[in-house]
Amino acid sequence: QQPVQSPQAVILREGEDAVINCSSSKALYSVHWYRQKHGEAPVFLMILLKGGEQKGHEKISASFNEKKQQSSLYLTASQLSYSGTYFCGTERTEDSNYQLIWGAGTKLIIKP
Amino acid sequence: DSGVTQTPKHLITATGQRVTLRCSPRSGDLSVYWYQQSLDQGLQFLIQYYNGEERAKGNILERFSAQQFPDLHSELNLSSLELGDSALYFCASSRKAGGAREQYFGPGTRLTVT
Repeated sequence: QQPVQSPQAVILREGEDAVINCSSSKALYSVHWYRQKHGEAPVFLMILLKGGEQKGHEKISASFNEKKQQSSLYLTASQLSYSGTYFCGTERTEDSNYQLIWGAGTKLIIKP
Repeated sequence: DSGVTQTPKHLITATGQRVTLRCSPRSGDLSVYWYQQSLDQGLQFLIQYYNGEERAKGNILERFSAQQFPDLHSELNLSSLELGDSALYFCASSRKAGGAREQYFGPGTRLTVT
């Protein structure tokens, strides 16, 4: 089943904060976050693993609640460059083929 | 630049035709993924190859097929094209088959079926 992302879209002023959520009904091994700007390829942001390990390299933080099968992406002091569509991809514990199941995306618009 | 290349960048063809999309992964990456993204939609996973072998299959139509060659480049073949096949097709690569590995996406091939 596809993970559910919320909100579907959000409009912010530069400098404001945003939280994007990704929920699954299945036990998860990892949650991946990507950002896609219009007409471009998705770009890797972060991976959160069961057990709390995080792998990422941008000034964006995230959490992974294993009990709730939910991850949240935190964008603080948003910049114009944060605009785009954010996708979460989930890797389920029960799957052995490591296929990512992608959410429908959250569109983030940052206004000056 | 992710290091993943895809050709062609744009493809316009008629219904019923057959096309081949090509992807070269990043140097050292063994795994290749194919995705379809229709206008303003999410990513639909099609198929994954690892070191030449099919590893996982998603929502790939029977009219579509793919392969990964010994030099690790991959091709996605789309046949008997329909209007609904118009979409952006992305290829991504990663070091290994899975285990929470980040994927690096190519720039995509925009397919328009008329």
